[in-house]
Amino acid sequence: AQSVTQPDIHITVSEGASLELRCNYSYGATPYLFWYVQSPGQGLQLLLKYFSGDTLVQGIKGFEAEFKRSQSSFNLRKPSVHWSDAAEYFCAVGGDFNKFYFGSGTKLNVKP
Amino acid sequence: GAVVSQHPSWVICKSGTSVKIECRSLDFQATTMFWYRQFPKQSLMLMATSNEGSKATYEQGVEKDKFLINHASLTLSTLTVTSAHPEDSSFYICSVSHNTDTQYFGPGTRLTVL
Repeated sequence: AQSVTQPDIHITVSEGASLELRCNYSYGATPYLFWYVQSPGQGLQLLLKYFSGDTLVQGIKGFEAEFKRSQSSFNLRKPSVHWSDAAEYFCAVGGDFNKFYFGSGTKLNVKP
Repeated sequence: GAVVSQHPSWVICKSGTSVKIECRSLDFQATTMFWYRQFPKQSLMLMATSNEGSKATYEQGVEKDKFLINHASLTLSTLTVTSAHPEDSSFYICSVSHNTDTQYFGPGTRLTVL
């Protein structure tokens, strides 16, 4: 069965510091993987996605993610965090019939 | 990406009444839309897949008679919460499936049942 695990519920980083949000997935076939960001009271905005090919994918707002099949991971990174990046981040795997399965989310706080 | 709207963005209703939430795909025709429910500080839970011109497919544990879904056109899907109760209070989010691989989400509707 498909599942997504985001081990970190909350993360706090200083503005300008680097960021890595972890995501592990379980899926029987080649996964479609996504990262979305949600600001308070808002819907989800797509940051980036991986379907195939280059395992390092670039997204919007300076984010990138690396697919590692051997580790069943798809961690999100950003070299320098801005205060506006404070939000909740969700990792998702696309399964059969294009159903999405989301992780529990990681809330990012940014210290000035 | 696709542009998705939801209406209303926020609704308060009395217990026992029904509430309709609209999800619109503004810039392309969506044969498939999805409805999610998000409890406070939790992740999104898929409720159902809405298919244009056919019955919705509900996830296990979701009452289809409670959450009525209608996908009457390629740009509009509606979710009606019937006989709403306080436990139905939640954030409801729809998404559209674009090119079958990616989902684009609406801004969500916050339902509060008194």
